[in-house]
Amino acid sequence: DVKVTQSSRYLVKRTGEKVFLECVQDMDHENMFWYRQDPGLGLRLIYFSYDVKMKEKGDIPEGYSVSREKKERFSLILESASTNQTSMYLCASSLIRPQETQYFGPGTRLLVL
Amino acid sequence: AQSVSQHNHHVILSEAASLELGCNYSYGGTVNLFWYVQYPGQHLQLLLKYFSGDPLVKGIKGFEAEFIKSKFSFNLRKPSVQWSDTAEYFCAVSYNNNDMRFGAGTRLTVKP
Repeated sequence: DVKVTQSSRYLVKRTGEKVFLECVQDMDHENMFWYRQDPGLGLRLIYFSYDVKMKEKGDIPEGYSVSREKKERFSLILESASTNQTSMYLCASSLIRPQETQYFGPGTRLLVL
Repeated sequence: AQSVSQHNHHVILSEAASLELGCNYSYGGTVNLFWYVQYPGQHLQLLLKYFSGDPLVKGIKGFEAEFIKSKFSFNLRKPSVQWSDTAEYFCAVSYNNNDMRFGAGTRLTVKP
């Protein structure tokens, strides 16, 4: 079974703080993704990575950065958290190509005060 | 930009009723099509997918979907829903073997 884990289920941060969200997958998948999920908007892609140290912007990369130093780990960084970044953040991975079945983690619900 | 539309935001059904959730996508060449489901408190998981071949695909838990290329649609169906089908359902499309686009989701509530 593919397992995608996220470091926190819930986080509360203050405006201006630097926030790290961690994601780990245990199936040697090439591709990893970060989405945010908001009611009525579905999932929107923030960044994805198709290889170690490689990254590509998604639809809404502003205010975010990512890091992939190891194949199994993909981090999302909010450099200076803002209230409009309050959301559910989902990490996903896929085996070889981005358009294949994606496997999702449980999500991190982030509240920025 | 490519987009995916799900027609219903919230659907409420009684047990044993039939279900059809609409999904339409904008033209963009070769597509792969997916339905994902998110049960309350659980993470998103694949329900079914279409890459090629028979346009009627069957997934887990009695769900099926039909790809109608001329209508750019991939509607999800189930003949008889159960209370345990209460969840949020997302249609997703990948274009030209590239990125994946998700619809806004449809929340299904099944009354016992």
